[in-house]
Parts: sequence; structure tokens; C-alpha cells
Amino acid sequence: AQSVTQPDIHITVSEGASLELRCNYSYGATPYLFWYVQSPGQGLQLLLKYFSGDTLVQGIKGFEAEFKRSQSSFNLRKPSVHWSDAAEYFCAVGLSGGYNKLIFGAGTRLAVHP
Amino acid sequence: GAVVSQHPSWVICKSGTSVKIECRSLDFQATTMFWYRQFPKQSLMLMATSNEGSKATYEQGVEKDKFLINHASLTLSTLTVTSAHPEDSSFYICSARDTYLQETQYFGPGTRLLVL
Repeated sequence: AQSVTQPDIHITVSEGASLELRCNYSYGATPYLFWYVQSPGQGLQLLLKYFSGDTLVQGIKGFEAEFKRSQSSFNLRKPSVHWSDAAEYFCAVGLSGGYNKLIFGAGTRLAVHP
Repeated sequence: GAVVSQHPSWVICKSGTSVKIECRSLDFQATTMFWYRQFPKQSLMLMATSNEGSKATYEQGVEKDKFLINHASLTLSTLTVTSAHPEDSSFYICSARDTYLQETQYFGPGTRLLVL
């Protein structure tokens, strides 16, 4: 069955430090991969997506993610975290075909210390 | 572009009443919309897939008579929680898939429902 694993429930980093949020997926076909960010009480905002091509994708707010097929991973990175990046981050797999349903990971809550 | 709105943003209702939540794609056509439910500090769980002009497809374990979905136009889907009970209290989020950019879903800001 399709699944998405985000191993880290909570991560705390200092402002200005680098960040990497892990995401592993299980899906038989080539996945569509997404990272979304959710601020408290808000809906989800798309940070970036991968469908095909260059495995390193750039997103908004200075985020990037790298698709590694051999590791079934799509980790999110940012070289220097800002206090405003504190939020919940969700990795998702889009199932190809049909209605492209999204399967979400459990999320990683990011806290940023000044 | 790609804005999805939800109305209301929050609602409090008495147990036994019905509540309707609207999801609109403001600047694109959405043949398909999705309804999710999110419990506090948890991930989004897909409830149903809504297709314009046809019946919604519900995920396993979701009561279709409890959560009525109507997708009457290319820009509007509604979720009605019928005979709401306290256990239906949750954060309901819709997303819309652009008809012409079908791999990407755009999410609404969510509706917080509290049933007393």
C-alpha cells in the first residue's frame, strides 16, 4: 500500500541554521511528490513539487527538495532558517492516474529558536 | 492565482443540527475537489473526492450519508455535515485540482467546526 513516512515529529533549530526534513515514501509507480507547509489554524501552502526531470527542485521561501529514487526519499532543505518558518510541514505523494489522490505523511512540526 | 476559499472559516453548532461548508476555486476551474479532515496535531485524512456533475467517491470508513458532498459547478463544492455530533468537531479542509494542471491540488484555508 502507498504510504509516506516523516520520521521526525518535532524538530527545533536555531534561526540561521540549516534545515533538513526527511520524507520517505512507498509507492510502486513513479510518484508525484509534494511538500506543503501549514501555519497554525491555516490551510496548506504548496512549497514545491516534483513530477519528473531534474531531481533537485526549487520552491518558494528558499526551500528545495531532492528526489532520490534509490532511497525512496524526498527530503526538504533550507540553508538558513528564519523565525517565520516555524510551522507544520507535510510531505505528500500524489497517486498517478485516476484523480491523483494525495497521501500525506504525519507531518513534522518545526520550531525555530531566536 | 490558484486561490481556494472556504466558508465559513469557523462554525459552532448544536448537536443534531446540520452544517454546510463551501469550497470555491476563485480563479480556475476545478473538475475535481477533495475534502479532508484534520484532527489536532495530526495529518490530513482524505474523506472524499468530489467530481463536478457526478457522485462523490468516499474513502473507506467515511459515512456518505453523514457527510453529504455536492459539486454542482466547476468552481464550487459543498460538504454538509448532517446531524452533527461532538465527535464531528474537527478542521475540515478542501482542495481543488486545476482542470488543466491536474497534478497539483490547491488547498483552502480550512473550516473549524465545533459541535456542542
